[in-house]
Amino acid sequence: AQSVTQLDSQVPVFEEAPVELRCNYSSSVSVYLFWYVQYPNQGLQLLLKYLSGSTLVKGINGFEAEFNKSQTSFHLRKPSVHISDTAEYFCAVSDTGGFKTIFGAGTRLFVKA
Amino acid sequence: EAGVTQFPSHSVIEKGQTVTLRCDPISGHDNLYWYRRVMGKEIKFLLHFVKESKQDESGMPNNRFLAERTGGTYSTLKVQPAELEDSGVYFCASSLTGESPLHFGNGTRLTVT
Repeated sequence: AQSVTQLDSQVPVFEEAPVELRCNYSSSVSVYLFWYVQYPNQGLQLLLKYLSGSTLVKGINGFEAEFNKSQTSFHLRKPSVHISDTAEYFCAVSDTGGFKTIFGAGTRLFVKA
Repeated sequence: EAGVTQFPSHSVIEKGQTVTLRCDPISGHDNLYWYRRVMGKEIKFLLHFVKESKQDESGMPNNRFLAERTGGTYSTLKVQPAELEDSGVYFCASSLTGESPLHFGNGTRLTVT
């Protein structure tokens, strides 16, 4: 069975500071990895995905994530955050060739002026 | 293209009543998923349709929940009779293939009093 652990439920950070949102997963098979973002009163939007190839994945809005197979991690980073990045971020995993996507509990990012 | 739409956006019902949630996926997306998020916890998988067929319904909590996708287009999720623990946000998502990222609707917030 697969599972996703997001290590921080809330992350407060000042505007223009760097941020890292941590995600660890467990799976007995090869996986696809995703980060989704949910802004207030909206659905989830895809930020970035890792399917194969380069372990450093770049997404929208200046976010990137690095797949680390040995540490089973897929941490999300941004070098300089904006107020508009305030949202909830979800890490997710699905097994290759599978259909069911498993989500973490989410990390609320608060960007302060 | 129009995104995934869900109706209603909010529903408040009393324990024992029936509620039906509707999801219209992106046109052409054969894969349709229902997820639920309870009390800020992780987003949990409920079930997956491929066209009109239930591919995986392992996440359905119990037989008070009934999902249908007649004709392989829109889907409904009925809760009958509703219980207090059914409160949460119900998300619908669709995808083109099993490897494609999910496109989410804005969710239906269900409150059972």
